[in-house]
Amino acid sequence: ETGVTQSPTHLIKTRGQQVTLRCSSQSGHNTVSWYQQALGQGPQFIFQYYREEENGRGNFPPRFSGLQFPNYSSELNVNALELDDSALYLCASSLASIHEQFFGPGTRLTVL
Amino acid sequence: AQSVTQPDIHITVSEGASLELRCNYSYGATPYLFWYVQSPGQGLQLLLKYFSGDTLVQGIKGFEAEFKRSQSSFNLRKPSVHWSDAAEYFCAVAPHGSSNTGKLIFGQGTTLQVKP
Repeated sequence: ETGVTQSPTHLIKTRGQQVTLRCSSQSGHNTVSWYQQALGQGPQFIFQYYREEENGRGNFPPRFSGLQFPNYSSELNVNALELDDSALYLCASSLASIHEQFFGPGTRLTVL
Repeated sequence: AQSVTQPDIHITVSEGASLELRCNYSYGATPYLFWYVQSPGQGLQLLLKYFSGDTLVQGIKGFEAEFKRSQSSFNLRKPSVHWSDAAEYFCAVAPHGSSNTGKLIFGQGTTLQVKP
C-alpha cells in the first residue's frame, strides 16, 4: 500500500510568482485536505477536496486554490506569492466517512 | 470559536521518565480528538484518536491519552520515554458531522526533548 506522497520536496520562489504543489493520496482514499504549517506553529487547514469538488475551506484568500483529479490526486496552487506564504505545506488523505487522516511528508516552500 | 491549546511549548524529560503532554480544547460539543507526532523534516504521524466510548485510549509506540469531558482535556501520556520520542507533538480536534470530515484544528504543538 502506497502512502501519501508530495512533490516537490523543496521549492524556492520569489514574491509575486505562482506555485503548484502536488499530492498523491493513499490508495483507496477519496478525500484530500491541504494544510499550511508556518515555522513553530501547528498546521492550519486550507481546504479539502472530495470527489473533485471543494468541500470546505479555512481562512485563506482566493489566491489559494486547488484541484482534485479523477484518480483523487490533488494540486494546491498559490498565486501572487507573499513572503508570509513561506511554510511547510502538508497534504492529507482520508476516506470521506472516516476522520482519520494520513499525512504526506510535506513541501517546504520558501518565498524570497 | 473552536480552538486547541497546548499549554507547554517545550518539555524536557530524562530518558526512562514518565511523560504527560497537555491538551485543552474549546468546542460546543465533544469533537473527535487526535494526537499526532512530527519528527524534524517529516509529515505528521497519528499516535491515537478518540471518537467515543472508553475515555482511555491506547495508541502506537506505547502512548495513551485520556479524555476528560469535564475538563475539556485530552492529555497524552507515556510511562517511560525513549530517546527516539524526541519530536514535536500536536493535539488536534475535528468537529462532528460528515460535512466536516478532515477539517482538523491543531494546537501549536509541544516540543519534547529527551535527556540521556
